[in-house]
Amino acid sequence: EVQLVQSGAEVKKPGESLTISCKGSGYSFTTYWIGWVRQMPGKGLEWMGIIYPGDSDTRYSPSFQGQVTISVDKSITTAYLHWSSLKASDTAIYYCARLQGKVMSRGERYFDYWGQGALVTVSS
Amino acid sequence: EIVLTQSPGTLSLSPGERATLSCRASQSVDSIYLAWYQQKPGQAPRLLIYAASSRATGIPDRFSGSGSGTDFSLTISRLEPEDLAVYYCQQYGSSPWTFGQGTKVETK
Repeated sequence: EVQLVQSGAEVKKPGESLTISCKGSGYSFTTYWIGWVRQMPGKGLEWMGIIYPGDSDTRYSPSFQGQVTISVDKSITTAYLHWSSLKASDTAIYYCARLQGKVMSRGERYFDYWGQGALVTVSS
Repeated sequence: EIVLTQSPGTLSLSPGERATLSCRASQSVDSIYLAWYQQKPGQAPRLLIYAASSRATGIPDRFSGSGSGTDFSLTISRLEPEDLAVYYCQQYGSSPWTFGQGTKVETK
C-alpha cells in the first residue's frame, strides 16, 4: 500500500527555522517525484515545488523559490521541506504528494497519493 | 503563469441532483495535463480525474471530466451526501503548476 506519512504539527516563532518531513512507503521511492503543496488557512491549494529522490533534481514555483528548500534522503525514503527563517505568513497546512508521470517528457502527470498534511503555525 | 478560474464559487444542490463545475484556463492547456481533486473538511485532497477525463482508481462513475483547450468541466451525475466538498482543478502543463481557487459543493 502506497503511503506518505508526514511529521506532526509545529508551532514556531517568527525567525525560527523548521524542517518538516514526508516518509514514503509501499512503492519505489526513488522513481517518483514528490511535490509539496501549501494551503493557507481557509484558502486554496498552491504548488510549491517537486523533487526527484533518485538524483535530488528539484524544481520550485517562482513564488516559493528562495523561500523554502526541498530536499530528500533516499536512504530513509523521506522528503523534507525546510525554512531557515519563518514568517507569520508561513502559517498553513503543508501537504506532500507523489507525482505520477514524468516531468522531463510529454505524458500525463498528476498527484496520485497525498500525505495527511502538516499544520505549521508561526506566531509570536 | 496559467491562471485557472473555477466557477461557480459555491454550488448549492440537493442529493440526487446533477452538478457541473467549470475550470477555465487563461491559456490553452493540453488536456493530458489537467486534473481534478476533491477535498473534504480536515482531509487531504484526493485525486478524482486526470488527463481531463480519466477517472482515478476507485472513483465512482458518477464523476466524469471533459473539456479541452481552455475550458474543462467536472460533472457529478447524481450528487451523494458524501460528495459535499471543495473541488479543485490543476494544470501540470506549464510551470508553475497552478490550481483553480476551488468550487464548494454544499447542501441546498
